[in-house]
Amino acid sequence: DAGVTQSPTHLIKTRGQQVTLRCSPKSGHDTVSWYQQALGQGPQFIFQYYEEEERQRGNFPDRFSGHQFPNYSSELNVNALLLGDSALYLCASSPGSYNEQFFGPGTRLTVL
Amino acid sequence: AQKVTQAQTEISVVEKEDVTLDCVYETRDTTYYLFWYKQPPSGELVFLIRRNSFDEQNEISGRYSWNFQKSTSSFNFTITASQVVDSAVYFCALGLGNTDKLIFGTGTRLQVFP
Repeated sequence: DAGVTQSPTHLIKTRGQQVTLRCSPKSGHDTVSWYQQALGQGPQFIFQYYEEEERQRGNFPDRFSGHQFPNYSSELNVNALLLGDSALYLCASSPGSYNEQFFGPGTRLTVL
Repeated sequence: AQKVTQAQTEISVVEKEDVTLDCVYETRDTTYYLFWYKQPPSGELVFLIRRNSFDEQNEISGRYSWNFQKSTSSFNFTITASQVVDSAVYFCALGLGNTDKLIFGTGTRLQVFP
């Protein structure tokens, strides 16, 4: 049984560009959350998707958007990249609400 | 406001020593959940434990044990007889009863030397 998978593993972009990160949840999980983890910090909640809709959102600007597909996989899009967007982006899945979240290995984004 | 504080930035121990990682949380909600995650150098957060606010029983799992005290808003994690493989960053997190959002502390880096 595959766990949460994310792609790509690493990504290098320049300021102003746009990026799309992808996540496949653990089998049987229908809820996907995205977190941003800056170097030396704890993960910060970006948003959560359930039934193809954004259910909750953290304190992130509109440049951060997402999508969930019918197979529960999800994408995170970031527009107009800033140097400060450089971080490890983690995807977590869970079987519905209020359950432990299982995390993927993350995508390391570097913005130059 | 909701907040998680892990005051210990880094801890170094020698193998077989016991070590306790501290976690203090803040919330006014009566229903909440507390978590511990381990993050090895690979980056993937590994789930260790989930506790809800109505269950103050301490828990032991092998060499790991957790002490939940609502009176001091603490949820401390002890590793007994530490091993080199325990070296990682450990995060404590708070989940509120009406949301799936997790609020993480800044983590404690544990280094276990042989």
